[in-house]
Amino acid sequence: DVKVTQSSRYLVKRTGEKVFLECVQDMDHENMFWYRQDPGLGLRLIYFSYDVKMKEKGDIPEGYSVSREKKERFSLILESASTNQTSMYLCASSLQGGPYGYTFGSGTRLTVV
Amino acid sequence: AQSVSQHNHHVILSEAASLELGCNYSYGGTVNLFWYVQYPGQHLQLLLKYFSGDPLVKGIKGFEAEFIKSKFSFNLRKPSVQWSDTAEYFCAVNGDNAGNMLTFGGGTRLMVKP
Repeated sequence: DVKVTQSSRYLVKRTGEKVFLECVQDMDHENMFWYRQDPGLGLRLIYFSYDVKMKEKGDIPEGYSVSREKKERFSLILESASTNQTSMYLCASSLQGGPYGYTFGSGTRLTVV
Repeated sequence: AQSVSQHNHHVILSEAASLELGCNYSYGGTVNLFWYVQYPGQHLQLLLKYFSGDPLVKGIKGFEAEFIKSKFSFNLRKPSVQWSDTAEYFCAVNGDNAGNMLTFGGGTRLMVKP
């Protein structure tokens, strides 16, 4: 079974803090994705990566950055957290080359106060 | 650009009722279509997917979906829901020029009353 593990289930951070959300997958998937999930808005893509050190902006990249130094790990960084970044963050991974669909992590619920 | 619209945000049904959740996508080329489900407190799981061939796709737990190309639709159906189907359901599309990227709809929250 493919596993996508997000390091924290719940996080509470203060406005202005730098926040790191970590995601690790164990099936050698090339593609990794970060989404945020908000009620009524579904899942919106923040960033994705199709290879080590490669990254592409998604639909809502503002206020976020990412890092992919190793194939299995994809980090989402909030440079200066704001209250409007309070959300559920979902990491996903997939194989490259076909419409395989994603495997999702359990999510990190981030609250910025 | 590809987009997905789910018309029903909240659906409440009694057990044994039939279910149909609407999903329409916007994309002019070849598409791959997915339904994901998120049970309370759990991660998103793939329910079913359409790549090609028979437009009626059967998934897990008795769910099925029909791809109607002329209507740009991929509606999810189940003939008789159970309390355990209470969850949020997401439709997603992958267009042929989008690489492996999925675009998700806004989701539909289904509550099944026992």
